Amino acid sequence: AQKITQTQPGMFVQEKEAVTLDCTYDTSDQSYGLFWYKQPSSGEMIFLIYQGSYDEQNATEGRYSLNFQKARKSANLVISASQLGDSAMYFCAMSQFMYSGGGADGLTFGKGTHLIIQP
Amino acid sequence: SAVISQKPSRDICQRGTSLTIQCQVDSQVTMMFWYRQQPGQSLTLIATANQGSEATYESGFVIDKFPISRPNLTFSTLTVSNMSPEDSSIYLCSAGAGAYEQYFGPGTRLTVT
Repeated sequence: AQKITQTQPGMFVQEKEAVTLDCTYDTSDQSYGLFWYKQPSSGEMIFLIYQGSYDEQNATEGRYSLNFQKARKSANLVISASQLGDSAMYFCAMSQFMYSGGGADGLTFGKGTHLIIQP
Repeated sequence: SAVISQKPSRDICQRGTSLTIQCQVDSQVTMMFWYRQQPGQSLTLIATANQGSEATYESGFVIDKFPISRPNLTFSTLTVSNMSPEDSSIYLCSAGAGAYEQYFGPGTRLTVT
């Protein structure tokens, strides 16, 4: 069974500082995907970034980057130059396994980190 | 990326009744998923809905309580049956055409009184 662990229930960060949100995972699968989502108080789930288990390069999307360390089974999210609008819940998630045809199974989520950016 | 809509956005229901939630995707997708987010909690996968076959339910979720339909590649419904206050949650559908895609709808906020 897959498991995602996010050890930071809450974080306070000063505006414009970089933020690292921790995520470790456990799986016996060789092929899997790792996702990060942002959930503001409105409740929507906003996709941020994806990393495949066979991707050699760390994923980047604008101010977001994923620090993927496969041997340590960690997939930390880094937000550069934080903004007030980054205040939200952040969830790390994992696809349970990948089909050979390219599809993925449903996601297993961590408990989330509540990030608050202070001015 | 896929654009996903859900109806209703919220509802207040009496215990013992049922509610059907609709999920519409703006493009054809292979996989659709339903999740539950209980108050203050993370998301839990309820089931995977594949077109042309029975939904696959996760441990702790059963078809009699959460029947799912997937009549085509852009649409799915989730019914929450015989509701109790413990079913008060946000229900979200997601869809993805490929392994790296899992986009979510805006969610349905359900309150059971």
